[in-house]
Amino acid sequence: AQSVTQLGSHVSVSEGALVLLRCNYSSSVPPYLFWYVQYPNQGLQLLLKYTTGATLVKGINGFEAEFKKSETSFHLTKPSAHMSDAAEYFCAVSRAGSQGNLIFGKGTKLSVKP
Amino acid sequence: GAVVSQHPSWVICKSGTSVKIECRSLDFQATTMFWYRQFPKQSLMLMATSNEGSKATYEQGVEKDKFLINHASLTLSTLTVTSAHPEDSSFYICSARDSSGGGQFFGPGTRLTVL
Repeated sequence: AQSVTQLGSHVSVSEGALVLLRCNYSSSVPPYLFWYVQYPNQGLQLLLKYTTGATLVKGINGFEAEFKKSETSFHLTKPSAHMSDAAEYFCAVSRAGSQGNLIFGKGTKLSVKP
Repeated sequence: GAVVSQHPSWVICKSGTSVKIECRSLDFQATTMFWYRQFPKQSLMLMATSNEGSKATYEQGVEKDKFLINHASLTLSTLTVTSAHPEDSSFYICSARDSSGGGQFFGPGTRLTVL
C-alpha cells in the first residue's frame, strides 16, 4: 500500500523567504511523486512530478523538489516566496509505470506575509 | 496544455433531488477518469475510477448506487449524486488521464451544496 504524509498542515513564511513544504511517502514499489497546488475553490494544478531519472525536479513558478529514496522524502522548495504562492499544496504518490490513481497527502496551507 | 472542464462549477439543490456533474477532457482522449471528493480543509479522497465503456470501480465505503458514474465516451464522464442529502455537500473534483500517456489532469471542481 502507498501513503503520503505531509508534515505541517500550515506553513507561514515572509515574502522573499525560503519555502519548504515537507512530504514523506511510503511505497512498496518504485513511486511516482507529485506536487499539486490548489487555489481557493479551484481544482488542482500540477507543480512538478518525479517519475524516473534526475532526482531534482524543477517545476512551474520557481518550485523544485528532490526525490530522496533513502529518506523516502519529496520535499518542495522555493528560494523566495511570493505573495501569489499562498495556496494549499498537496503531495501525491502513485505506482510507478502504472495507470493507477493518485494517493494524496492531507495538504499544507502556505501563507505568505508581506 | 491539456484541459479538463467540469460543469456545473457550483450547484445548490434541495435534499432528495439528484444532481449530475460532467467532466470533460477538452483536447485529449481519456479512457480513464477519476472522481474525488474533498471536504473543507481536507485532502482529496478518491471515490471511483471511471473507465470508458465499462463499469466504474468504486473505492471502499463509496455507495455505487448513490454515486452513479457513466463514462460514455473518451471525453466525457458524469457523476450523478442521487437523492442528495446535506452530508453529500462537498467539493467534487474529477481528473482525466491522457490515453496517449501524457499524464493526468484535474478539472476545476464542482461545489455541491445540499439544503
